[in-house]
Amino acid sequence: NAGVTQTPKFRILKIGQSMTLQCTQDMNHNYMYWYRQDPGMGLKLIYYSVGAGITDKGEVPNGYNVSRSTTEDFPLRLELAAPSQTSVYFCATAETKGIYEQYFGPGTRLTVT
Amino acid sequence: QKEVEQDPGPLSVPEGAIVSLNCTYSNSAFQYFMWYRQYSRKGPELLMYTYSSGNKEDGRFTAQVDKSSKYISLFIRDSQPSDSATYLCAMTTTAGNTGKLIFGQGTTLQVKP
Repeated sequence: NAGVTQTPKFRILKIGQSMTLQCTQDMNHNYMYWYRQDPGMGLKLIYYSVGAGITDKGEVPNGYNVSRSTTEDFPLRLELAAPSQTSVYFCATAETKGIYEQYFGPGTRLTVT
Repeated sequence: QKEVEQDPGPLSVPEGAIVSLNCTYSNSAFQYFMWYRQYSRKGPELLMYTYSSGNKEDGRFTAQVDKSSKYISLFIRDSQPSDSATYLCAMTTTAGNTGKLIFGQGTTLQVKP
């Protein structure tokens, strides 16, 4: 039982490049979330999904896109990477009856130069 | 004004000390109050949660919520070096049942042997 897995662990992008951060869960949770964490800034919600086929914006969605075609996968797409997107990205999941208890993946460290 | 404010520290205490971590918030609609613990280069994990006002105790940890003052606290008794981590408060409303968490900036705690 792997829980929440994220790939890659680290990535360096050049300005203007695109990439997809992968998130997969095997807990059969309906709710999934993408956060970014900047030093001293806590976590900010980028996008979230309450089930397959349903996504919505969080606090900081600009420059990102998501899709949710299955319960297990919730990829985050960065288009035209900018230095401001340098951050640590966390994917999280939650059960419908316990949305306050979110289970986080190990994170992806992204640097845009 | 940020919705959730948390003193980023860092906080350094000797082993065995009582630690007090605090957050203030501005949104009176928050109903769930959580404390997440994050070890270095790991994803956050839920430590405790409280629904509405009151106290909750779990071993050496006590969470308090004072909705009248919009103030929450986490107390750690008999602190151990293994408690060294970043502690993040988080809050959410029950509106829409989306689980959108608003995090504080996190307080970094070091417990010295």
